[in-house]
Amino acid sequence: DQQVKQNSPSLSVQEGRISILNCDYTNSMFDYFLWYKKYPAEGPTFLISISSIKDKNEDGRFTVFLNKSAKHLSLHIVPSQPGDSAVYFCAASGSVGDYKLSFGAGTTVTVRA
Amino acid sequence: GAGVSQSPRYKVAKRGQDVALRCDPISGHVSLFWYQQALGQGPEFLTYFQNEAQLDKSGLPSDRFFAERPEGSVSTLKIQRTQQEDSAVYLCASRGLAGISTDTQYFGPGTRLTVL
Repeated sequence: DQQVKQNSPSLSVQEGRISILNCDYTNSMFDYFLWYKKYPAEGPTFLISISSIKDKNEDGRFTVFLNKSAKHLSLHIVPSQPGDSAVYFCAASGSVGDYKLSFGAGTTVTVRA
Repeated sequence: GAGVSQSPRYKVAKRGQDVALRCDPISGHVSLFWYQQALGQGPEFLTYFQNEAQLDKSGLPSDRFFAERPEGSVSTLKIQRTQQEDSAVYLCASRGLAGISTDTQYFGPGTRLTVL
């Protein structure tokens, strides 16, 4: 039973435009959410996180929004750059410090020049 | 090195063979995790160590899977009598002491296992 869902397997966006990646979860006990980025033949790299006490966290070009009532989060990348082309995974855990991460299936982002 | 390293990077096994996958975590990290990533899916939790203690092995798919971390640093994931459904990328991650600012798991590049 997949508790974290990324319903869009792929996204294509023009360089300079905004990329919006979506993630839904079903477990109401999830309290901490992360986004990881993965290039081919490499392991996932941490990108940004948010805890449930916030509804927004920003780090440079990356912003994560959390709507806890809707059990939905999104990652915005503005502006998109060619180096952003990668697979993005949404992950969730019970709380900050909880060891077990549940991952979505990933969204492949392609940034067109 | 500065990051998590895993070896081998690629492993091809005949069905029924035993394999051993190695993980070198970031130096000083007390927590170590193994994940299995099937093609087109996200990583799925297998097991978790705090130092040398295996605190959770609930994600191991069968008793053919065994993990150890005898000295609290390097870890080995062993799969006995491999089956075709074991084909996946096996990811190792490590993390420092739990805390507000150090909650991130850092992943290695993975070992791609193909069972023929």
